[in-house]
Amino acid sequence: TQLLEQSPQFLSIQEGENLTVYCNSSSVFSSLQWYRQEPGEGPVLLVTVVTGGEVKKLKRLTFQFGDARKDSSLHITAAQPGDTGLYLCAGGPSGAGSYQLTFGKGTKLSVIP
Amino acid sequence: GAGVSQSPSNKVTEKGKDVELRCDPISGHTALYWYRQRLGQGLEFLIYFQGNSAPDKSGLPSDRFSAERTGESVSTLTIQRTQQEDSAVYLCASRVSGSRGDTQYFGPGTRLTVL
Repeated sequence: TQLLEQSPQFLSIQEGENLTVYCNSSSVFSSLQWYRQEPGEGPVLLVTVVTGGEVKKLKRLTFQFGDARKDSSLHITAAQPGDTGLYLCAGGPSGAGSYQLTFGKGTKLSVIP
Repeated sequence: GAGVSQSPSNKVTEKGKDVELRCDPISGHTALYWYRQRLGQGLEFLIYFQGNSAPDKSGLPSDRFSAERTGESVSTLTIQRTQQEDSAVYLCASRVSGSRGDTQYFGPGTRLTVL
């Protein structure tokens, strides 16, 4: 069974601060996705990374996939209240024809104005 | 519609009753997933449909849970003889395959409360 551990579980910061959320596993993933979920809504895909060592930037968000494709991080620069939400990482398993994602438990981020 | 829709948005039921949850996927998406999200937990895979292939039911927690999908359209998740531990948000997602991993589009979920 593949598991993804996210840390921290909860994070409360002031507007303008930087933060990093981690997603770790002992398993190799073919891809790694990050989602943001707001209360009462389903998760919304932010980014997909598929290559070991890949770095993708989405405005103030920077996503990195580990070289061994076992871990990932999400860094937010100058956090804003609109960044508040539950951040979920999800790994796509190795192997052809695979279709299931393994989700972490999420990091609940609160950005205080 | 433009996105995945689910109904009802909220369902409160008494222990022992049956409930039926509905998912309308994005038109043209051949793959459909059901997940369960308990408070403070990640998404737990329940079942997967792909076109006319046999569904992958490996995530269903007990035989009280079942799901159906007709072709590439609506899906229903049924929970029989509900228990309090079934209380959770049930999320549906439909999928399109892309060159950079699969992209799942989620509905808003149905919040089920079993009293």
